[in-house]
Amino acid sequence: GEDVEQSLFLSVREGDSSVINCTYTNSSSTYLYWYKQEPGAGLQLLTYIFSNMDMKQDQRLTVLLNKKDKHLSLRIADTQTGDSAIYFCAETNSGGYQKVTFGIGTKLQVIP
Amino acid sequence: EAGVTQFPSHSVIEKGQTVTLRCDPISGHDNLYWYRRVMGKEIKFLLHFVKESKQDESGMPNNRFLAERTGGTYSTLKVQPAELEDSGVYFCASSIGQENSPLHFGNGTRLTVT
Repeated sequence: GEDVEQSLFLSVREGDSSVINCTYTNSSSTYLYWYKQEPGAGLQLLTYIFSNMDMKQDQRLTVLLNKKDKHLSLRIADTQTGDSAIYFCAETNSGGYQKVTFGIGTKLQVIP
Repeated sequence: EAGVTQFPSHSVIEKGQTVTLRCDPISGHDNLYWYRRVMGKEIKFLLHFVKESKQDESGMPNNRFLAERTGGTYSTLKVQPAELEDSGVYFCASSIGQENSPLHFGNGTRLTVT
């Protein structure tokens, strides 16, 4: 089956930038997502990018997509302690009716 | 707008018992999904309803799992009999179903089978 891979853990200091990386294998991916899960909460959609884009910026978040290498990254500028959470990379090859394939999740720890 | 709600938030049962998880999607969302995250592993798709019909149940692990969505509103996921490997967090999600309408997830039900 299709895979999404991401590192398990990232630790950064408050105020620094965080970069969470993800690779995927599905060459038919059309939508790529970043979800955030805070402790005890559900999955919150942070942002998404369509496969014909290579960058998307939304306030402190920047998503970069290298479709050739099937590499997706999420950059969080000026990381805050409230950004501590698990971040899931996900992909689907259809929008709106999707069976989403998730990565294992990267736990971001922000050190004050 | 109320979000996706799941009940219970936690459930601890013994091996061999039965558990029923419930999901109330966002009102008006025809698409309802069940996902599961086993400890330390990826979140995996279980099945997808469109209204009351099962659109895709390719992710259901085995016949001990039964999902229903009578009337096309809330959904239940029953595990009978539960096994140790069924422990994990069960997420429900819903979406409108239009192009790139995102999945809205509930907080999940943490199931522990002892």
